[in-house]
Amino acid sequence: EVQLVESGGGLVQPGGSLRLSCAASGFTFSSYWMHWVRQAPGKGLVWVSRINSDGSSTSYADSVKGRFTISRDNAKNTLYLQMNSLRAEDTAEYYCARDLSSITIFGVWGQGTLVTVSS
Amino acid sequence: QSVLTQPPSVSGAPGQRVTISCTGSSSNIGAGYDVHWYQQLPGTAPKLLIYGNNNRPSGVPDRFSGSKSGTSASLAITGLQAEDEADYYCQSYDSSLSVPVVFGGGTKLTVL
Repeated sequence: EVQLVESGGGLVQPGGSLRLSCAASGFTFSSYWMHWVRQAPGKGLVWVSRINSDGSSTSYADSVKGRFTISRDNAKNTLYLQMNSLRAEDTAEYYCARDLSSITIFGVWGQGTLVTVSS
Repeated sequence: QSVLTQPPSVSGAPGQRVTISCTGSSSNIGAGYDVHWYQQLPGTAPKLLIYGNNNRPSGVPDRFSGSKSGTSASLAITGLQAEDEADYYCQSYDSSLSVPVVFGGGTKLTVL
C-alpha cells in the first residue's frame, strides 16, 4: 500500500524552528518528485515547496523562501521540511504529497501534521 | 484572493447532478494548462479526484467527471450521494506567477 506519514508538527513560538518529516512506503520513493502543501485552519490549500526525485532541484512559495528548506533522504525513504523563523501565519496543517509523474499533480497525500506558531 | 475562482458552496439532493466551476484566465486555464481536482472529506487529507482535465485515478467512481473550455473548468458529480459531502479544490499552472502552482479557493458541497 502506498503511504505517506508526516510527523514533527507541534506548538512553537514565533521565531522558532521545526523540522517536519514524511515517511514514504509502498513505492519507489527515489523515483518521484515530492511536495509540501499547507492548509491554514478553515482555509484552502497552498503549495509550499517541491523537490525533484534526486534532490538536486527545489522550489518554494514566495511566502516561505529563505525560511524553509525542503530535502529528502532516498536511502531512508523520507522527505523533510526544515522551517525556521516561523511566523503566526505559518500556522497550518502541513501535508506531504507525491507527484503523479513530475508534472505537479498531487497524486498521493499524507494525513498531515499540524504546526501552530503562537506565544 | 485565489487565482482560480470557485463558488464557495454548492448543494444538491441525493441522486441529483451538481457542477462546480473553476474560473481562471489567459495565463492559466486559458493558456491550455491542465486542471486537476481534489476532494477533501471532513477532517481528512485531500485526495486526487480528476487529473488532466478529465481523467479519473483508479478507484474514483465514474460519477465524477471533469471538463475544460476556454478559461474555465468544471467538475460534475452525478447520482449525488451523502458521502460526496466534502470540499472540492481545482488546481492548475499559471505562467505569469513566480510560483506557478495555483489552487482554487475551494467549494463546499452540501448534500441536502
